[in-house]
Amino acid sequence: RKEVEQDPGPFNVPEGATVAFNCTYSNSASQSFFWYRQDCRKEPKLLMSVYSSGNEDGRFTAQLNRASQYISLLIRDSKLSDSATYLCVVNIAFIDTDKLIFGTGTRLQVFP
Amino acid sequence: GAVVSQHPSWVICKSGTSVKIECRSLDFQATTMFWYRQFPKQSLMLMATSNEGSKATYEQGVEKDKFLINHASLTLSTLTVTSAHPEDSSFYICSASPGGQPLPNTEAFFGQGTRLTVV
Repeated sequence: RKEVEQDPGPFNVPEGATVAFNCTYSNSASQSFFWYRQDCRKEPKLLMSVYSSGNEDGRFTAQLNRASQYISLLIRDSKLSDSATYLCVVNIAFIDTDKLIFGTGTRLQVFP
Repeated sequence: GAVVSQHPSWVICKSGTSVKIECRSLDFQATTMFWYRQFPKQSLMLMATSNEGSKATYEQGVEKDKFLINHASLTLSTLTVTSAHPEDSSFYICSASPGGQPLPNTEAFFGQGTRLTVV
């Protein structure tokens, strides 16, 4: 089983739509959680951290359920510029260092 | 925000040759840097953890003699793909965090990535 699992998509949605991505992780030693955005052939960039209480940043809302080991990202009022791959990322503490473990990503395509 | 610079952004090399990729933290010191590889439509896979002044730590299945890592200063780590073969063609990307390791809730900054094509 992969440590971080995501639906690869693609999700094809019209402008203005609301879309939700889900992610599950298997390692209970996971300490912190993030959503990164990766555009085609580019490096990942942090979209937002995910906190247990849930957090919102403009049109983006992230939620974490530690009991179910589940993370979600909700995008409201989708824009064309939201088209990208969204990576669910988990920070796991190992003996010698922390490591970021990436999901395969969910591809979003917003059309006019 | 913090900047990590990676060079070159793309390289084409002949099979059997070696390729060096540089990763620099431009405005912070990084005792630890991370090297990832990403094949098309797949996730970033951690290859190794680069430690300043000591040996790199490689993930299971990554050949340390093939992927040489040197972290000689607090702002520079290099990855050398030795005797490259077509199956090594991939997107290689480094990351670093101010303060060293990606502490909980600390953003990791990524280099621009290097697209390696071995012909």
